[in-house]
Amino acid sequence: NAGVTQTPKFQVLKTGQSMTLQCAQDMNHEYMSWYRQDPGMGLRLIHYSVGAGITDQGEVPNGYNVSRSTTEDFPLRLLSAAPSQTSVYFCASSYLPPEQPLEQYFGPGTRLTVT
Amino acid sequence: GQQVMQIPQYQHVQEGEDFTTYCNSSTTLSNIQWYKQRPGGHPVFLIQLVKSGEVKKQKRLTFQFGEAKKNSSLHITATQTTDVGTYFCAGCSGNTGKLIFGQGTTLQVKP
Repeated sequence: NAGVTQTPKFQVLKTGQSMTLQCAQDMNHEYMSWYRQDPGMGLRLIHYSVGAGITDQGEVPNGYNVSRSTTEDFPLRLLSAAPSQTSVYFCASSYLPPEQPLEQYFGPGTRLTVT
Repeated sequence: GQQVMQIPQYQHVQEGEDFTTYCNSSTTLSNIQWYKQRPGGHPVFLIQLVKSGEVKKQKRLTFQFGEAKKNSSLHITATQTTDVGTYFCAGCSGNTGKLIFGQGTTLQVKP
């Protein structure tokens, strides 16, 4: 079991460039989510998905798109990168209620810098 | 929308002292989870609380869920240097699985 994998680990973008952060899990989890982590702000939910074909917005969705075509993959797209999107991005997955446990498994993170 | 507030933001303690972090939600939660993140790492699940008034212990860690299911606390007895890191609470409302994190409490332990 690889758990939750994320690529790339590090990325530098110029303002206006686009890119996709990849996330995959091999635990057959229905729930997947993306968070960004900034100093003093904790983990803020960007988008989440409760199954293939279903996505919804979190707390800070602007500037990001997601899709969920398979149970395993949940890519995050930055359409036109801005310096305010400089952050560490974590992908996570878990079972859905009523299944247990509900603990979220996190990937190792992607450190993104936008110049 | 749902908000989860956590205090304090930072705590410095001498090794052997106790530590507590508090978590408050703006809405009633179906469950609350606690995570620990070491510097440079990713959050790792510690525990989940589901029942009103629930108390769970893991060695020196004690977790409580409030009677109204809107607040929670994590207490560490006799801290050790291995306890260093950031502790997050995360609240879940309803059955969507959507989890909202608090800002975290960063614990530093002086040997």
